[in-house]
Amino acid sequence: NAGVTQTPKFQVLKTGQSMTLQCAQDMNHEYMSWYRQDPGMGLRLIHYSVGAGITDQGEVPNGYNVSRSTTEDFPLRLLSAAPSQTSVYFCASSFRDREMAEAFFGQGTRLTVV
Amino acid sequence: AQKITQTQPGMFVQEKEAVTLDCTYDTSDPSYGLFWYKQPSSGEMIFLIYQGSYDQQNATEGRYSLNFQKARKSANLVISASQLGDSAMYFCAMREGPTGGFKTIFGAGTRLFVKA
Repeated sequence: NAGVTQTPKFQVLKTGQSMTLQCAQDMNHEYMSWYRQDPGMGLRLIHYSVGAGITDQGEVPNGYNVSRSTTEDFPLRLLSAAPSQTSVYFCASSFRDREMAEAFFGQGTRLTVV
Repeated sequence: AQKITQTQPGMFVQEKEAVTLDCTYDTSDPSYGLFWYKQPSSGEMIFLIYQGSYDQQNATEGRYSLNFQKARKSANLVISASQLGDSAMYFCAMREGPTGGFKTIFGAGTRLFVKA
């Protein structure tokens, strides 16, 4: 049971480049989400999904795209990287319909945009 | 609008003493869950405790307890008998129910320092 797997762990991009952060879970969780963590600002929700084929915007969605074609995978795409997107990114998953649905997190991706 | 506020950027506590980390929230969804997570310096997120909006009693998990005051919209984490290993960032989170799309947001966090 691998839990939530995020790749890559580290990435350096040049301004304007695009890339995809991968997230996969093997717990059959309906709910998946992406957060970015910046110093002093906690975790801010970028996008989330309540099931395959359904996605919605979070608190800071600009500059990011997501899709959810399967229950297992929830990739995050940076369309044109900017220095303001330098951050640590976390993917999380949980059951949707259970009352006590704590989130399981990936190990995080440290992204630097130069 | 859904909102979580942690007003203590940093806290110090003496080893073996109790400490309370504050969390207030706002939501219009009658069904929601409140969570606390710990993030040590290694970076992983560790689930600590959960409180449901309809739970009558405060949640407890070992040395962790959640002081839930629904009318005041607060969900403070109490750590009893602090240990050096409790030094970490602590995040309060709120998950809305079906009305809110099960969206989960986090507070800015509190960094706890446990002194020997």
